[in-house]
Amino acid sequence: GAGVSQSPRYKVAKRGQDVALRCDPISGHVSLFWYQQALGQGPEFLTYFQNEAQLDKSGLPSDRFFAERPEGSVSTLKIQRTQQEDSAVYLCASTRDPKPIEQYFGPGTRLTVT
Amino acid sequence: QKEVEQNSGPLSVPEGAIASLNCTYSDRGSQSFFWYRQYSGKSPELIMFIYSNGDKEDGRFTAQLNKASQYVSLLIRDSQPSDSATYLCAVTRDGQNFVFGPGTRLSVLP
Repeated sequence: GAGVSQSPRYKVAKRGQDVALRCDPISGHVSLFWYQQALGQGPEFLTYFQNEAQLDKSGLPSDRFFAERPEGSVSTLKIQRTQQEDSAVYLCASTRDPKPIEQYFGPGTRLTVT
Repeated sequence: QKEVEQNSGPLSVPEGAIASLNCTYSDRGSQSFFWYRQYSGKSPELIMFIYSNGDKEDGRFTAQLNKASQYVSLLIRDSQPSDSATYLCAVTRDGQNFVFGPGTRLSVLP
């Protein structure tokens, strides 16, 4: 079966541009996570959805970051007015159950802000 | 501030040896503990999870948890060159907000 997919795989944005990153979780997976991974660092939690409900957004670094999952499947992470410090790999992960054991990660979107 | 700490490495071991990876965490309320492997340029994949104090074995991998010392480790027996990767420790209190460590880079020398 299909795994978690993310698009685009690579995105170059000029500073100040808005970007939208898409995540398609595994079909039927209830929970969805977004992480930001800077080069040489571990993933940093951004936000968590259970179905369409965003239950935790404590990791979003600023109000320029916004995530949604309106129908409980596909999710979009939007970054407004991108800054150079937003350059990172953005990872999406999904799990079957609300109490996750195994998170299945997508391939990530590498965002470079110039 | 919730923190998870790991030695960044690189940790180099000869093929066939035991690799020992360590992780400490600051949040005493952490309930679940995970080890992920991440190859360069790839996304993390789960190796093991552990919830209770003690050891948990799965093939060549053993996870050890000591909640009193806020310490979790991963042992890899009979290390292979294909085990060369970055190993990430992750903890969670509630299964919603996961805190990852910076990762330890392991190099298994043939």
